Amino acid sequence: DGGITQSPKYLFRKEGQNVTLSCEQNLNHDAMYWYRQDPGQGLRLIYYSQIVNDFQKGDIAEGYSVSREKKESFPLTVTSAQKNPTAFYLCASSTGSPGSTEAFFGQGTRLTVV
Amino acid sequence: EDQVTQSPEALRLQEGESSSLNCSYTVSGLRGLFWYRQDPGKGPEFLFTLYSAGEEKEKERLKATLTKKESFLHITAPKPEDSATYLCAVRGGSYIPTFGRGTSLIVHP
Repeated sequence: DGGITQSPKYLFRKEGQNVTLSCEQNLNHDAMYWYRQDPGQGLRLIYYSQIVNDFQKGDIAEGYSVSREKKESFPLTVTSAQKNPTAFYLCASSTGSPGSTEAFFGQGTRLTVV
Repeated sequence: EDQVTQSPEALRLQEGESSSLNCSYTVSGLRGLFWYRQDPGKGPEFLFTLYSAGEEKEKERLKATLTKKESFLHITAPKPEDSATYLCAVRGGSYIPTFGRGTSLIVHP
């Protein structure tokens, strides 16, 4: 089945610790995105990548980092610099511009600071 | 900057009571307006893409329409299983999807 796989589903982070969220897609999509979702806030863009080895900051990139070494993979690291990391994180992918179409999402990772 | 505003924030309906959700948008060069359904604790599920004013798409009890400034998601004779949050997004010249905050729909049996 083609789709987007996020892991883990639940993740707990201690204060001062870096954690990495995994996102893998087998849809052969060029573009990939990371969004953060908080209650009442909607989806806010963290980082996006339109091609391998290239990525851009979104609206709330501070305290996060990404890499795009393979077309299929777009991991997100939540660093200790992110002061309020507890949230639901969503990864998505789409065909790249100019043939841009709808984005498809993974099932999300819920990160909690303990 | 692309912007999306959804209303109402929350909507409670009785089973069979039809209604509409609104998505107002401003975008530079619309390249697509998207509707998604999101169940609690899950990722958004794609429903529809609309590209130009006047376009309509239907799926079971849902019908999406588009004008130059807004889109409506009409729900006809809803059932309790239609309860979810419905998200609207637009893609403009930047090709990056911008999302609204969603409408939380609850359908009572």
